[in-house]
Amino acid sequence: QKEVEQDPGPLSVPEGAIVSLNCTYSNSAFQYFMWYRQYSRKGPELLMYTYSSGNKEDGRFTAQVDKSSKYISLFIRDSQPSDSATYLCAMKRAGGGGKLIFGQGTELSVKP
Amino acid sequence: DTEVTQTPKHLVMGMTNKKSLKCEQHMGHRAMYWYKQKAKKPPELMFVYSYEKLSINESVPSRFSPECPNSSLLNLHLHALQPEDSALYLCASSQVEGRSDKQYFGPGTRLTVT
Repeated sequence: QKEVEQDPGPLSVPEGAIVSLNCTYSNSAFQYFMWYRQYSRKGPELLMYTYSSGNKEDGRFTAQVDKSSKYISLFIRDSQPSDSATYLCAMKRAGGGGKLIFGQGTELSVKP
Repeated sequence: DTEVTQTPKHLVMGMTNKKSLKCEQHMGHRAMYWYKQKAKKPPELMFVYSYEKLSINESVPSRFSPECPNSSLLNLHLHALQPEDSALYLCASSQVEGRSDKQYFGPGTRLTVT
């Protein structure tokens, strides 16, 4: 079993839809949770960074962490074609030397 | 500014060549990373430098040789690579271990080994 599980998709939604992306994990030592967006042939771009449990909002993006369920989510409101990309969840434990554990990535397509 | 730059953008090399990938950041970060990413896969950590010292080597073959000349620069020296080493090589940087050690990635070098 992988430490971090993420549905690879692909996920296709119409423009304006609310998108929900999710990851589950097995290591209870993870304390830092991130979402990266990666456009084709580009480097990953840090979207959201959360420490421990709770919600964080930034514009159309909301990140949720539920440590009791070992489950994290990224919501995208009013999705746009420019949101079409691969979304990677990543997490790390305190004292982990900076090593990120990534999910497989979910490929999202937002259709006009 | 959260920019990490990488050169070259693309590199094609033969199995007997020696080449180097370069990475630079001016955010004052003291940790720098090399990742390898194959198509439709997540990045895989290769090396971590912390305060210019190698702190993590994820059992990477010796044909990959990292170097951190100073706190802003990171190199990856390549020698006698195999076709299966073709991938996107990503550099990242962060403040050293702590609550704010967000990792910022560069655009990557797309390497093709022929």
